[in-house]
Amino acid sequence: QKEVEQNSGPLSVPEGAIASLNCTYSDRGSQSFFWYRQYSGKSPELIMSIYSNGDKEDGRFTAQLNKASQYVSLLIRDSQPSDSATYLCAVNKSGGSNYKLTFGKGTLLTVNP
Amino acid sequence: ETGVTQTPRHLVMGMTNKKSLKCEQHLGHNAMYWYKQSAKKPLELMFVYSLEERVENNSVPSRFSPECPNSSHLFLHLHTLQPEDSALYLCASSQDFGGANYNEQFFGPGTRLTVL
Repeated sequence: QKEVEQNSGPLSVPEGAIASLNCTYSDRGSQSFFWYRQYSGKSPELIMSIYSNGDKEDGRFTAQLNKASQYVSLLIRDSQPSDSATYLCAVNKSGGSNYKLTFGKGTLLTVNP
Repeated sequence: ETGVTQTPRHLVMGMTNKKSLKCEQHLGHNAMYWYKQSAKKPLELMFVYSLEERVENNSVPSRFSPECPNSSHLFLHLHTLQPEDSALYLCASSQDFGGANYNEQFFGPGTRLTVL
């Protein structure tokens, strides 16, 4: 099983719809979970961090974490064409190397006008 | 300057050249990272420094040599690279280690490296 797994997509949604991005991870002791947005040719930009089970909302973005199921998701409400990008899920290692982040390959999201 | 800056933004070098990548963070962070991003592959951690001390060398070939003279600056010295080393090299910083939210890492714009 891959350490951090994401559907590579592309995920295509119409403008104004909800985009749902999913991520599963294998390290049961992980405590920190991050979503990064990466536009083509650019570097990753941190958009959400989540550390506790449940939902965390920030504007149009909601991160959801379920540690029992080892699952983290990102919902983007009222999707805009400017949200079209690759979304990277990152999870920290448990134990003494908790500063290490393991990244998924990313999900390419396309929002159609 | 704000955030994390990297120079040069693009670099083309031959296999026998020696070059250096520079990273500077203006966030007051104590930890800095080098990552490699190749097409179709996840981000790969290369090196980690905390308060100028290297804490991680993720099995990186010796043709990549990091240097961290202080907590704001990080270099990656390159020599006798191979064409498969062509990639986007990203620098990141975080406040520190330990607490959960200290792991938030912020990336620079990257250096696009091409090895001929």
